[in-house]
Amino acid sequence: DSGVTQTPKHLITATGQRVTLRCSPRSGDLSVYWYQQSLDQGLQFLIQYYNGEERAKGNILERFSAQQFPDLHSELNLSSLELGDSALYFCASSVGRGEQFFGPGTRLTVL
Amino acid sequence: EDQVTQSPEALRLQEGESSSLNCSYTVSGLRGLFWYRQDPGKGPEFLFTLYSAGEEKEKERLKATLTKKESFLHITAPKPEDSATYLCAVQGNGDYKLSFGAGTTVTVRA
Repeated sequence: DSGVTQTPKHLITATGQRVTLRCSPRSGDLSVYWYQQSLDQGLQFLIQYYNGEERAKGNILERFSAQQFPDLHSELNLSSLELGDSALYFCASSVGRGEQFFGPGTRLTVL
Repeated sequence: EDQVTQSPEALRLQEGESSSLNCSYTVSGLRGLFWYRQDPGKGPEFLFTLYSAGEEKEKERLKATLTKKESFLHITAPKPEDSATYLCAVQGNGDYKLSFGAGTTVTVRA
């Protein structure tokens, strides 16, 4: 158990809908990262927050957004969902730079 | 842009048959190279961080080494419970994100 929690574990929704994925980092970790893992793309970095502020962005679609709250939990919002958004979404956390600890993931299926 | 290439894509081993996985990388200034283990449908589990060429880290039957262009993960006398996908990732200087390779899926038969 990495200490990072994610909810929900599974999410099934329809195209065009909007969903919210939630992540709680390890105690004491200020950085939260979101990654997407699909069969054809592997693990891809989406976005990073540090102590409530956006720190870095990867290839995150404009339909996707995230935020980190004062209690350090983070939410990833995915809107206007398409079939190709079906993937595993992982949250990771770290104290600073260096090793990141991953949560169990949310499996998103868009029908 | 950081590039990470892992080989082979898949590796089938007999229990006790040692082998090595390769991770080649291109990054403008390596801050750290990371190895993770991932079981199907689960989140990546952190194994090792290597920071400089010549460094080695060991944990049970796994040993990771680093050169200026690649890293190796050696599996000594593997057991079926070592079956998993092993992921390599790099972090460049000035970066926080990790750039991952596609992974090597290891299957160890009893």
